[in-house]
Amino acid sequence: DTAVSQTPKYLVTQMGNDKSIKCEQNLGHDTMYWYKQDSKKFLKIMFSYNNKELIINETVPNRFSPKSPDKAHLNLHINSLELGDSAVYFCASSSRQALILALHFGNGTRLTVT
Amino acid sequence: AQSVTQPDIHITVSEGASLELRCNYSYGATPYLFWYVQSPGQGLQLLLKYFSGDTLVQGIKGFEAEFKRSQSSFNLRKPSVHWSDAAEYFCAVGGFTGGGNKLTFGTGTQLKVEL
Repeated sequence: DTAVSQTPKYLVTQMGNDKSIKCEQNLGHDTMYWYKQDSKKFLKIMFSYNNKELIINETVPNRFSPKSPDKAHLNLHINSLELGDSAVYFCASSSRQALILALHFGNGTRLTVT
Repeated sequence: AQSVTQPDIHITVSEGASLELRCNYSYGATPYLFWYVQSPGQGLQLLLKYFSGDTLVQGIKGFEAEFKRSQSSFNLRKPSVHWSDAAEYFCAVGGFTGGGNKLTFGTGTQLKVEL
């Protein structure tokens, strides 16, 4: 019973390509996030969606386009991949009504751009 | 703006020894505070959280943390470390920004356990 699942786990691609990462949660949460973890393990929020509505966009390049078809899914599409996009991308979810903001994370997608 | 500082990048302890990982936060109101653990190749798992009430909070795996408002700290402790505790530990502060909720993480502390 995976709570937050993301696919693929590993993604190796060349510069200039377009790729997508999918995320699904079965916790009934209404808020989903994308976080980026760089090579130094620093975690930084990229986007947050609440009930399919974008509520946080942390000055991420517009090559990154999140899409939330419903509140259980939040996908991340990346155009024209660059070397600096190499990182681990984590999807997470929470319940806004809980007010405690405890995030549940997926296991991450390791993106390597060559 | 909210921020978190974890001053120790690496910590090494012997198995069975006590552990304290430091965390200092900056936040304008009463913070929501969290500790997460990340094992290699895994996502982040919530160890414990503080929202209000008792300033000493208990978490999973025998961890506890104490909220000290006067010191803006939320240090993580464990009385006796096990080899399986070796991992990366992240402190985080939660807050509202631009109408949305987000967690801001510290840079993490890598814990190594010597047998």
